[in-house]
Amino acid sequence: NAGVTQTPKFRVLKTGQSMTLLCAQDMNHEYMYWYRQDPGMGLRLIHYSVGEGTTAKGEVPDGYNVSRLKKQNFLLGLESAAPSQTSVYFCASSRQGNGNQPQHFGDGTRLSIL
Amino acid sequence: QKEVEQDPGPLSVPEGAIVSLNCTYSNSAFQYFMWYRQYSRKGPELLMYTYSSGNKEDGRFTAQVDKSSKYISLFIRDSQPSDSATYLCAMIHYGGSQGNLIFGKGTKLSVKP
Repeated sequence: NAGVTQTPKFRVLKTGQSMTLLCAQDMNHEYMYWYRQDPGMGLRLIHYSVGEGTTAKGEVPDGYNVSRLKKQNFLLGLESAAPSQTSVYFCASSRQGNGNQPQHFGDGTRLSIL
Repeated sequence: QKEVEQDPGPLSVPEGAIVSLNCTYSNSAFQYFMWYRQYSRKGPELLMYTYSSGNKEDGRFTAQVDKSSKYISLFIRDSQPSDSATYLCAMIHYGGSQGNLIFGKGTKLSVKP
């Protein structure tokens, strides 16, 4: 059972380039999330989805777009990468969004913007 | 004031020591409390989950919640080098349909053999 899989694991971009991060989960979870983790800042929610075809903004959504065309996949896009988006990105999923359904995380994508 | 405060450490202890990790929070609406463990270059993994005040024990780990003081703790007994990781506390509003976990910044723990 793979759980939550993120691709790619590492990527280096130049300022202004675009890219898409892919998250796939095989647990049939309804909710999916994208976080970024920066030193001294902790985990911050970028966008999330409460089901196939839905998306919503989190704490730090600017500069990112997301899509949830299939229940098992959640894509995070950077249209025009900026150095401030250098971070480690984590995807997570949960069965539901209420408190008693813990989130399960992938191992992250390390993204550097030069 | 941040919603969730957690001392980032680092915390270094000898093998076999009892470790105490703590978080304070400001929002009394938080009802569910979690501890995640994150190894270097890995994603967070759920370690303990509690609801309401009191203690919950799982092997060498005990999670404690004191809602009156807005304070949660994670105790690790007989600590092992394999416990070396960053520990993140997290909490969520009661009935929060959006599933927005609020995380502490994490405490880095090192257990020396």
